[in-house]
Amino acid sequence: GDSVTQMEGPVTLSEEAFLTINCTYTATGYPSLFWYVQYPGEGLQLLLKATKADDKGSNKGFEATYRKETTSFHLEKGSVQVSDSAVYFCALMDLSGGYNKLIFGAGTRLAVHP
Amino acid sequence: DTAVSQTPKYLVTQMGNDKSIKCEQNLGHDTMYWYKQDSKKFLKIMFSYNNKELIINETVPNRFSPKSPDKAHLNLHINSLELGDSAVYFCASSRRTGGNQETQYFGPGTRLLVL
Repeated sequence: GDSVTQMEGPVTLSEEAFLTINCTYTATGYPSLFWYVQYPGEGLQLLLKATKADDKGSNKGFEATYRKETTSFHLEKGSVQVSDSAVYFCALMDLSGGYNKLIFGAGTRLAVHP
Repeated sequence: DTAVSQTPKYLVTQMGNDKSIKCEQNLGHDTMYWYKQDSKKFLKIMFSYNNKELIINETVPNRFSPKSPDKAHLNLHINSLELGDSAVYFCASSRRTGGNQETQYFGPGTRLLVL
């Protein structure tokens, strides 16, 4: 079945460092891909998405490009802030059976210190 | 103007009890979902309803019974609670089901602790 693999955390960075969180997927067809973020003690928020190959999703300085050839959707940010500390989830849209469901990766915890 | 809301936010209860979690969305969406996040933060879908009809049931124990009184509400009732049910339960909604581009919007979660 479909699956998502994320790099294990925690990722610990200094403020203004460059961030990459790797995400690869296995799927039949070409699913939409998503990054969700969960701040401490809060629910999931959609960060960005891409719906087809070579699409780039972006939001709040974060970017991810849908790479069909490498089945990847890595999350990047040029300069992280302390407020970016959270757990980041990569997900794909599984349409098997004709109904939507999100398949999530295990999550990557990011800790940014001043 | 909360889009997807859940009550309660926290729920602490004893093993063997029966409890319910409520979810409401004001986005006018047709499809709603329940996801479970375990202690290791792993998220997995449990159920999905489309226009009050159950369309996804991911081999969840039958102690869990979702109920959708109307399109805007999807409640989760849990009988005979077990320690392993301790988790964060997220409700979500999307405009419809069946489309590859449908974004799911999540509620704030209900943190359930079974003692």
